[in-house]
Amino acid sequence: QKEVEQDPGPLSVPEGAIVSLNCTYSNSAFQYFMWYRQYSRKGPELLMYTYSSGNKEDGRFTAQVDKSSKYISLFIRDSQPSDSATYLCAMSFYTGANSKLTFGKGITLSVRP
Amino acid sequence: SQTIHQWPATLVQPVGSPLSLECTVEGTSNPNLYWYRQAAGRGLQLLFYSVGIGQISSEVPQNLSASRPQDRQFILSSKKLLLSDSGFYLCAWKAGAGETQYFGPGTRLLVL
Repeated sequence: QKEVEQDPGPLSVPEGAIVSLNCTYSNSAFQYFMWYRQYSRKGPELLMYTYSSGNKEDGRFTAQVDKSSKYISLFIRDSQPSDSATYLCAMSFYTGANSKLTFGKGITLSVRP
Repeated sequence: SQTIHQWPATLVQPVGSPLSLECTVEGTSNPNLYWYRQAAGRGLQLLFYSVGIGQISSEVPQNLSASRPQDRQFILSSKKLLLSDSGFYLCAWKAGAGETQYFGPGTRLLVL
């Protein structure tokens, strides 16, 4: 079992839809959770970061963490064609100089106009 | 604000040739630096990371090496490229005490 599993996709939705992207993890030691967005042929950019169970909202994006069930989600409301990208979840055990991120494989989202 | 640069953006190299990819970070001091490779369908693979000048940790034994000659410079090298070295190479940095990493624009390498 991989440490981080992410829905493989691809996912195609109409403009305006609510999108739910999910990752599950097996190691309960993970404490810090991130979502990255990667446009085609570009580097990933940090979208959301959270370290506690519950929801964190930023505009149309909501990151949800459930540590008891070991899953995280990213919700996108009123999806736009500009949201078309690959979304990667990432997590780490702890902060500090030697901390490393473990990534999901990513899911490609396409928002149809 | 911090900026991370990578070059070249694209590289086509023959098998057996050497490789040097460069990454520099501006606007921060003593960052942690990372090299990743991203292959289609395989996600991000951490290759090397560095917590300071001359300090390199290797995550995956392979045909590549890394060096950090200056605080904000990270270099990925190979003496002889293999076909399997093709991929999208990403450099990232983070503040020493932070959790989040910030990525550069990447270098697309094709080995023929």
